[in-house]
Amino acid sequence: GQQVMQIPQYQHVQEGEDFTTYCNSSTTLSNIQWYKQRPGGHPVFLIQLVKSGEVKKQKRLTFQFGEAKKNSSLHITATQTTDVGTYFCAGPHDYKLSFGAGTTVTVRA
Amino acid sequence: DAGITQSPRHKVTETGTPVTLRCHQTENHRYMYWYRQDPGHGLRLIHYSYGVKDTDKGEVSDGYSVSRSKTEDFLLTLESATSSQTSVYFCAITSDRGLGYTFGSGTRLTVV
Repeated sequence: GQQVMQIPQYQHVQEGEDFTTYCNSSTTLSNIQWYKQRPGGHPVFLIQLVKSGEVKKQKRLTFQFGEAKKNSSLHITATQTTDVGTYFCAGPHDYKLSFGAGTTVTVRA
Repeated sequence: DAGITQSPRHKVTETGTPVTLRCHQTENHRYMYWYRQDPGHGLRLIHYSYGVKDTDKGEVSDGYSVSRSKTEDFLLTLESATSSQTSVYFCAITSDRGLGYTFGSGTRLTVV
């Protein structure tokens, strides 16, 4: 079955620094979705990428979909304390989404 | 998020007892899902529904059953709760299987 892997599992970042989290699928994806979950909260949909090589930006967040549509990345610039949480990527298969295990981000002020 | 509610928010139950969690939506969305979240495992699909009375198993369905008799309600039942089912359970909805999901606030279940 389809598997979605994320690395790193944990990311400890100094406030103001940049970081990137990566997502890899064992199969080609029709699209990739990203979600953010704040501590104690529920996952919230951030964005969906559909096209090969697509790049989308949301303020300091840059999302990229690989040319082969099997990998994706999320890059955050100038990390802030509001970026704390777990970021999940997810790929669809039939009626359902397969989620990666997530990257949990902590920020040192 | 507005439009999807889960109940109860917290529950403690004893091993061997049946438990039912409820997901209620006001969005009239066709697709509904139950996930469990455990440390190190991300979100794992338990069961899902693609319409009234249309349900199917996910990757971790053993020990769980679901029912959807109305568009707005998707019930998850633990027939006989075990300690391994201690988890946070999330319901999610979407209008189209290719679109992003809206998640409920979750139910924290503890089986003692």
